[in-house]
Amino acid sequence: NAGVTQTPKFRVLKTGQSMTLLCAQDMNHEYMYWYRQDPGMGLRLIHYSVGEGTTAKGEVPDGYNVSRLKKQNFLLGLESAAPSQTSVYFCASSPEGVGFTEQFFGPGTRLTVL
Amino acid sequence: GQQLNQSPQSMFIQEGEDVSMNCTSSSIFNTWLWYKQDPGEGPVLLIALYKAGELTSNGRLTAQFGITRKDSFLNISASIPSDVGIYFCAGSGGSYIPTFGRGTSLIVHP
Repeated sequence: NAGVTQTPKFRVLKTGQSMTLLCAQDMNHEYMYWYRQDPGMGLRLIHYSVGEGTTAKGEVPDGYNVSRLKKQNFLLGLESAAPSQTSVYFCASSPEGVGFTEQFFGPGTRLTVL
Repeated sequence: GQQLNQSPQSMFIQEGEDVSMNCTSSSIFNTWLWYKQDPGEGPVLLIALYKAGELTSNGRLTAQFGITRKDSFLNISASIPSDVGIYFCAGSGGSYIPTFGRGTSLIVHP
């Protein structure tokens, strides 16, 4: 099993450009999450999904959109990139359970917005 | 929202020393997890705790779910150079939304 994979690994954008980050998991997990990690800030939840076709806002959702059309994929979109969105983005998935359970993380996407 | 304080922020120790770090929450948690992140990688789960008072070990690592359900501790015994990394605690009060601590950066000198 590949676990959780993220595409691309690195990306540089200009302010105002858009892009989509792809997360895929092959563990048949119900829940998927998108986080951003900034120095000294830990991991902050952007959006999450508790099942195919469902999404919900996390702690820092502004400027991002997500879609979960297939159970194994969770897409994160930046509509109009801003320098404040320069960060490392992590996707995670977890099996179904009562509330929050163990998460498996991808390797991350390092995004720079100029 | 929930607040989670993790301390210390960083630790510089000699190989062979024991390490202790902790997280405290402003509210009651039902789940505590401890992760380790190596440079350039995603976090990897070390230990999961689901019951107040629970004490769980994973090799040289031991974690405890505090009796008050508002704190958790991680201890590493006899540290080695490969223990270097950032350690995160995470918890939740029963929803799908986890809260992460800001991490403890561990540096081990040979």
